[in-house]
This record gives sequence, structure tokens and C-alpha cells, in this order.
Amino acid sequence: AQSVTQLDSHVSVSEGTPVLLRCNYSSSYSPSLFWYVQHPNKGLQLLLKYTSAATLVKGINGFEAEFKKSETSFHLTKPSAHMSDAAEYFCVVVGGKLIFGQGTELSVKP
Amino acid sequence: DTGVSQDPRHKITKRGQNVTFRCDPISEHNRLYWYRQTLGQGPEFLTYFQNEAQLEKSRLLSDRFSAERPKGSFSTLEIQRTEQGDSAMYLCASSPGRTSTDTQYFGPGTRLTVL
Repeated sequence: AQSVTQLDSHVSVSEGTPVLLRCNYSSSYSPSLFWYVQHPNKGLQLLLKYTSAATLVKGINGFEAEFKKSETSFHLTKPSAHMSDAAEYFCVVVGGKLIFGQGTELSVKP
Repeated sequence: DTGVSQDPRHKITKRGQNVTFRCDPISEHNRLYWYRQTLGQGPEFLTYFQNEAQLEKSRLLSDRFSAERPKGSFSTLEIQRTEQGDSAMYLCASSPGRTSTDTQYFGPGTRLTVL
């Protein structure tokens, strides 16, 4: 069975500082992994996806993630946080249907 | 707006009543998915359609739940004899259906409150 674990339920950063949202996956074969973002009262939006091509994946709004098979990780990063990045972030393993992690709430302080 | 739409956005009902939600996918998307999201949790898969065929149902989908996609376009999700535990956000997503890793585009959701 496939699953993802998001290691932090809440992350707080100051505007302009780096963002790191951690995700570990479990899969018996090479997985496809996505990150989605959910802003309050808005629908889920795809940030980026890994589908076994380049291990460093760039997404929208300056986010990127690196697939590390040896660590079974797919952490999401951004060099400099913006106030508009405050939202819920979900790591997802893909097998036709999407299997979501529990989510990480990102707060950005001015 | 050519995104996924859902109706209604909010539904309040009394325990024991039946409710029906509608999802209109992006035009020409072959796959349509239903998910449920409770407070503080990630969405959980309920069921999906390839065109009009319902190909997979989660164990979460009890016999009180039924979903249809009669002409391979819009879909409905019905919950009979609602229970307080059914209170959640019900999300619909669609994808082109060419590969299993196609991006799924989500609608805004229907928030159900069962009193």
C-alpha cells in the first residue's frame, strides 16, 4: 500500500525566510508524488509533480521539491516566503486516485 | 470560468434526510473523482469514473452513498439517511484520463453539515 507522512502539522516562518515542508512516502514501487496547496475557502491547486523524470521539480510561485529515493522523502521548499504563501499544503502519492497526507499549515509572519 | 464547478457550495440538513450534490467537470475530461475532507485532515478518496463507468469505490463509501455519471459529463453524489458523521467537505476533481498521473483539477467543494 502507498502512503505519505507529513512530518509537521504546522510550520511558522517569517516573511522573506526559507520554507521547508517535510514529506516522507511509503511505496513498494517508484511512486509519483504531487504537492497541492489549499488556501482558505479556495479549491486545491497543484503546486508541482514528480513522475520519475528529473528528481528536482520546480513548481508554481517559486516552490520546488526534491525526490530522494534513499531517504523516501519529497520535501517542499521555497527560498523566500511571502505572506500569500500562508495556506495548507498537502503531499500526495499518486496511483490513479490521490492519497493525501494529513497536511501542513504554513503561517507567514510579517 | 471553465474550471470544475460544484453545487451547492453549502448544505445544512437534519439527520436522516437525503442529500444530493452535483459536480460539473472540465469539459472533455474523461475521469471524475469524489473525495471527502473532514476538518484538519487531508482529502480521502471515495470513488471515480472513467466516462460513465464507475471503476473504483473506497470502503469509505457505505451503502448509503451512491454516485452516478450518467452521460459521462456531470456527476451526482447522493447520501441517504444522513448521519452526523457525514458532515464534511465533499470535493470533486476531474482529469483528462490519459495517464494515471494526469493533474486532477479540483472544484471548490460542497460543505455538508448534518444537524
